[in-house]
Amino acid sequence: KAGVTQTPRYLIKTRGQQVTLSCSPISGHRSVSWYQQTPGQGLQFLFEYFSETQRNKGNFPGRFSGRQFSNSRSEMNVSTLELGDSALYLCASSVDAIYTFGSGTRLTVV
Amino acid sequence: AQSVTQLDSQVPVFEEAPVELRCNYSSSVSVYLFWYVQYPNQGLQLLLKYLSGSTLVKGINGFEAEFNKSQTSFHLRKPSVHISDTAEYFCAVSDSGGYQKVTFGTGTKLQVIP
Repeated sequence: KAGVTQTPRYLIKTRGQQVTLSCSPISGHRSVSWYQQTPGQGLQFLFEYFSETQRNKGNFPGRFSGRQFSNSRSEMNVSTLELGDSALYLCASSVDAIYTFGSGTRLTVV
Repeated sequence: AQSVTQLDSQVPVFEEAPVELRCNYSSSVSVYLFWYVQYPNQGLQLLLKYLSGSTLVKGINGFEAEFNKSQTSFHLRKPSVHISDTAEYFCAVSDSGGYQKVTFGTGTKLQVIP
């Protein structure tokens, strides 16, 4: 079966711009979680959506937001980009606490 | 609240030598435990999981882990590593019931030296 698909794979943006990342979960998975991964901070939890509702949120500023659609696809948005937002953004869909991750979106802010 | 501690941020080991990556967790309820592996520029992949039953769990690529409830540990082992095992390994824990929020450890980078 198809895995978790994240688009785009790579992205370069300028400081101050905004960006939207997309995640298509495994069919039937209703939970989607987002993580930011950087060499300095490691894997950090952003938020989790379940059946279109945000179920849990990490400790990130309000510039980071997300949503989930009725087909379980999810998007995350980062507004007013900063250099420190450069990272690998990972999406995972899950069922029964078992996560399947996408390959990530590599965001570079210049 | 649950937490996971991976004591070693980096573990260098020679090829064909055994390796153990340590993981300790904290939780007030019954737990599920997981190990994930991440190769460069990829997402995390499930290596193995403990949900219930036998405390010795076997995973892919010859890895195994043992759940030790009294020591609240779930260490990952492999008797003989290969160059291809070079990757970052994450331990994770979730409650076994209710809202199964998963908490990941900070990761251990395994470097296999030829």
